[in-house]
Amino acid sequence: DGGITQSPKYLFRKEGQNVTLSCEQNLNHDAMYWYRQDPGQGLRLIYYSQIVNDFQKGDIAEGYSVSREKKESFPLTVTSAQKNPTAFYLCASAPGTEIYEQYFGPGTRLTVT
Amino acid sequence: AQKVTQAQTEISVVEKEDVTLDCVYETRDTTYYLFWYKQPPSGELVFLIRRNSFDEQNEISGRYSWNFQKSTSSFNFTITASQVVDSAVYFCALSDVTGGFKTIFGAGTRLFVKA
Repeated sequence: DGGITQSPKYLFRKEGQNVTLSCEQNLNHDAMYWYRQDPGQGLRLIYYSQIVNDFQKGDIAEGYSVSREKKESFPLTVTSAQKNPTAFYLCASAPGTEIYEQYFGPGTRLTVT
Repeated sequence: AQKVTQAQTEISVVEKEDVTLDCVYETRDTTYYLFWYKQPPSGELVFLIRRNSFDEQNEISGRYSWNFQKSTSSFNFTITASQVVDSAVYFCALSDVTGGFKTIFGAGTRLFVKA
């Protein structure tokens, strides 16, 4: 089956710890995205990548880091510098970054206490 | 600046009613793309439709229809004869040249369809 996988579905961490969220796609898409969703709000862009070994900051990149070493993988690290990391994180991919719709993974709900 | 406004936070209807979800957008570009996504309780967003700024034709897909009006900067979504399975959060989104084709999402409208 073609699609996007995110693991785990639920993640719990203690404050002060870094945590890495996984995102893998087998759609052969060039572009990948990370969004954060908070209750009652829309999606906010954290980072995006148009091509392997290249990525750009989105609107709320502070406290997050990413890598794009392989076309199919775009992991997101939530660092201890992120002041309010508890949220629902969604990964998406698209054939390109211009006119295309995005395909989303099932999301990871991160809780930091 | 880009902006997408979904003024309806929550809508509740009874099954078989028609329901319209409103979306108003702002952009200074003449070339832009509008999208609707559905987020069921499972959490994964599902793409429903994409419309470019040069195509104002309304679209119908089964029980779903979309009304794009550039004169009012609106891209409204209507579900005819709603069903319980339509219960979800629906997001309207905008992508334009000035924004580097990054997609801006509205806050979403939560639709409850009661049996």
